[in-house]
Amino acid sequence: NAGVTQTPKFRVLKTGQSMTLLCAQDMNHEYMYWYRQDPGMGLRLIHYSVGEGTTAKGEVPDGYNVSRLKKQNFLLGLESAAPSQTSVYFCASTRGTAGEQYFGPGTRLTVT
Amino acid sequence: AQKITQTQPGMFVQEKEAVTLDCTYDTSDQSYGLFWYKQPSSGEMIFLIYQGSYDEQNATEGRYSLNFQKARKSANLVISASQLGDSAMYFCAMRGTHNTDKLIFGTGTRLQVFP
Repeated sequence: NAGVTQTPKFRVLKTGQSMTLLCAQDMNHEYMYWYRQDPGMGLRLIHYSVGEGTTAKGEVPDGYNVSRLKKQNFLLGLESAAPSQTSVYFCASTRGTAGEQYFGPGTRLTVT
Repeated sequence: AQKITQTQPGMFVQEKEAVTLDCTYDTSDQSYGLFWYKQPSSGEMIFLIYQGSYDEQNATEGRYSLNFQKARKSANLVISASQLGDSAMYFCAMRGTHNTDKLIFGTGTRLQVFP
């Protein structure tokens, strides 16, 4: 039982490049989330999904897109990376009945 | 709008002593949940404890307890008998009632336990 996994763990991008972060969970959770963590600002919600095929915007969605084609996977895309997107990205999931959120190990992204 | 406030950027505590990490929240929801997460230097987010707004008793999990004062809108984390391994960032978070289970996080408190 791997829980929540994230790929990759580290990435360096040049401004304007694109990439996709993959989040996978094996707990059959309905709800999944993408957060970003910046120094001194805690975690902020980027996008979330309450079920396969559905996504919604969170607090800081600009510059990101997401897809939930399969229940176990939640993808976060950056179409044209900017230095302001340098951050640590966390994926989380929950069964959706007010349980705790389970977090992945994080992806450290640097945009130069 | 919901908001979590953690006013202590950093705290120090001696090993084996108890420490309280403050958290206040703001919400207009009647039903909500409050969480505490620990983030060690390795970076992962570790769930510690949960308190529901309708729970009559304060939550406890081993050495962790949540001092829930609903009228004051505070949900302080108490760590008893601190250990060196408790040194980490601690985040308070709140979930509202909009059927999305979204969490709003505070800015965190860095706890350092010294011998």
